[in-house]
Amino acid sequence: EVQLVESGGGLVQPGGSLRLSCAASGFILSDHYMDWVRQASGKGLEWVGRIRNKANSYTTTYAASVKDRFTISRDDSKNSLYLQMHSLKTEDTAVYYCVRVDLHSSSWYYWGQGTLVTVSS
Amino acid sequence: DIVMTQSPDSLAVSLGERATINCKSSQSILYSSNSKNYLAWYQQKPGQPPKLLIYWASTRESGVPDRFSGSGSGTDFTLTISSLQAEDVAVYYCHQYYNGPFTFGPGTKVDIK
Repeated sequence: EVQLVESGGGLVQPGGSLRLSCAASGFILSDHYMDWVRQASGKGLEWVGRIRNKANSYTTTYAASVKDRFTISRDDSKNSLYLQMHSLKTEDTAVYYCVRVDLHSSSWYYWGQGTLVTVSS
Repeated sequence: DIVMTQSPDSLAVSLGERATINCKSSQSILYSSNSKNYLAWYQQKPGQPPKLLIYWASTRESGVPDRFSGSGSGTDFTLTISSLQAEDVAVYYCHQYYNGPFTFGPGTKVDIK
């Protein structure tokens, strides 16, 4: 059974840093592109960024709103995905989901349950 | 960036009646090499992550009831719930995964009339 479990969320002050983790199980992580998506309370969904698989050199792309502040990485040997967040702003407050990209359809079927990041003084 | 719009913002439908949600992309999301539209529909209930209903604009995900159907191509798409059930109360999002940055529509809230 495919599972994605995020952790690392919490309360952080503006300008601070936080690192989220996503533990993957039930599939071969190294085969897949992985994304982060966030959702502020009562708001819509916003794509944060993507890390491609080993075959595509683990390249990353980011939304303009987080570029140069957030970094996505992965450790396939530990079945883990990470989102390092720096220079956090109040508008980064959201539930953060990790998402697996399907190899065949590129669709996003598997989502974690999310971890809440609150940026506030 | 590809902008996704949805209409209506919300709708209330009687149990057993049809619900229709429209989605428009600011540019075509039809990939010419495979003739697939990179458009998905999600259902989200409070406190839960989104659930994939439809991908490639019209392919129903395994396990999704057949009252859910997707149609459209290019820039105009529709999600239809043919006979609304109580458990279908949720917010529905369209999503383009054709080109980064990947973007979502603002969502349509579906309620029971």
